[in-house]
Amino acid sequence: GQQVMQIPQYQHVQEGEDFTTYCNSSTTLSNIQWYKQRPGGHPVFLIQLVKSGEVKKQKRLTFQFGEAKKNSSLHITATQTTDVGTYFCAGPWAAGNKLTFGGGTRVLVKP
Amino acid sequence: EAGVAQSPRYKIIEKRQSVAFWCNPISGHATLYWYQQILGQGPKLLIQFQNNGVVDDSQLPKDRFSAERLKGVDSTLKIQPAKLEDSAVYLCASSLAGGKNIQYFGAGTRLSVL
Repeated sequence: GQQVMQIPQYQHVQEGEDFTTYCNSSTTLSNIQWYKQRPGGHPVFLIQLVKSGEVKKQKRLTFQFGEAKKNSSLHITATQTTDVGTYFCAGPWAAGNKLTFGGGTRVLVKP
Repeated sequence: EAGVAQSPRYKIIEKRQSVAFWCNPISGHATLYWYQQILGQGPKLLIQFQNNGVVDDSQLPKDRFSAERLKGVDSTLKIQPAKLEDSAVYLCASSLAGGKNIQYFGAGTRLSVL
């Protein structure tokens, strides 16, 4: 079956620094979604990428979809304490809008 | 717009007991999902409904888990009997049918099986 893997599993970042987290799928994806889950919270949709090589920005967050549509990345610039949480990528599989979630990257910010 | 409602927020039971979770999706969302999220892992889909029909339940442990969405609106997920490994957060999500499959999650039910 489809597998979605994320690295790193944990990311300790100094406040103000940049970092990137990566998502890799075992199969080609029609689209990829990113969600953020704050500690004790539930996943909240951030963005969806559809086109090969697509890049989208949300303030300090930059999302990219790979040319082969099998990988994606999330880059955060000037990390803030509000960025703390787990970032999940998710890709659809089969029909019916089912999503396979990656294991997530847990981001901790050191002030 | 009201979000996805789930209850209860927390549940503690002993192994071999039964438990039920309730979910009310966003109004107008035809698709409803139940996920299991074990601590430190991503959500794992258990079952997906389209209106009142099951679209996929391939990852639902059917010997102990059951779910229904009789009127195509709210849904119930049941575990009977519970095992220690069922301790997790059970998340309900909903999405518009035929849309971009963006899923909106409820706050979840945190289940502890002792």
